Amino acid sequence: AQSVTQLGSHVSVSEGALVLLRCNYSSSVPPYLFWYVQYPNQGLQLLLKYTSAATLVKGINGFEAEFKKSETSFHLTKPSAHMSDAAEYFCAVRSGQAGTALIFGKGTTLSVSS
Amino acid sequence: GAVVSQHPSWVICKSGTSVKIECRSLDFQATTMFWYRQFPKQSLMLMATSNEGSKATYEQGVEKDKFLINHASLTLSTLTVTSAHPEDSSFYICSATNPSGLHSYNEQFFGPGTRLTVL
Repeated sequence: AQSVTQLGSHVSVSEGALVLLRCNYSSSVPPYLFWYVQYPNQGLQLLLKYTSAATLVKGINGFEAEFKKSETSFHLTKPSAHMSDAAEYFCAVRSGQAGTALIFGKGTTLSVSS
Repeated sequence: GAVVSQHPSWVICKSGTSVKIECRSLDFQATTMFWYRQFPKQSLMLMATSNEGSKATYEQGVEKDKFLINHASLTLSTLTVTSAHPEDSSFYICSATNPSGLHSYNEQFFGPGTRLTVL
């Protein structure tokens, strides 16, 4: 069965600092992995996705993630945090074949201080 | 990109009443829609998978008679919370996809969510 684990329910950084949000996955098949951001009382916005092409995936808003099979990880990074990055971030893995649901991690709250 | 809407965005109802939430794919045909539930400060939990023209498949622990799902067209799925109680208060989010369509990587497009409060 597929699953994801997000390490750290809350991450705090200063504006301009590196952002690192951790995600490890477990999958019995080659995984399709996603990172989403959620602002308060809003739906999910896709940041980026890994679909077995390039292992370094670039997304929107300056975020990127690297798929490391040996470490079963898909950590999300951004070189320089902005105040507007403060939100909830979810890592997700597709549960099976195309057309199946996503399984979400518990989420990481990112706080950015000035 | 593909757009998914939900209506209403928020609803308050009395205990014992039923509430219908609509999920629409505005610019693509969604053969599959998913309904998730999110409690405050928690992750999204899949409630059910809805395929157009078929009965929904519910996750373990989700009462199909309480959460009625209909996916009668390729652009609309509805979730009806029947005889709602305060413990049903939550944020309900739908997503839509078409695995054989333009978005071949099975990207799901999420609606903005519906906040349900049962008094």
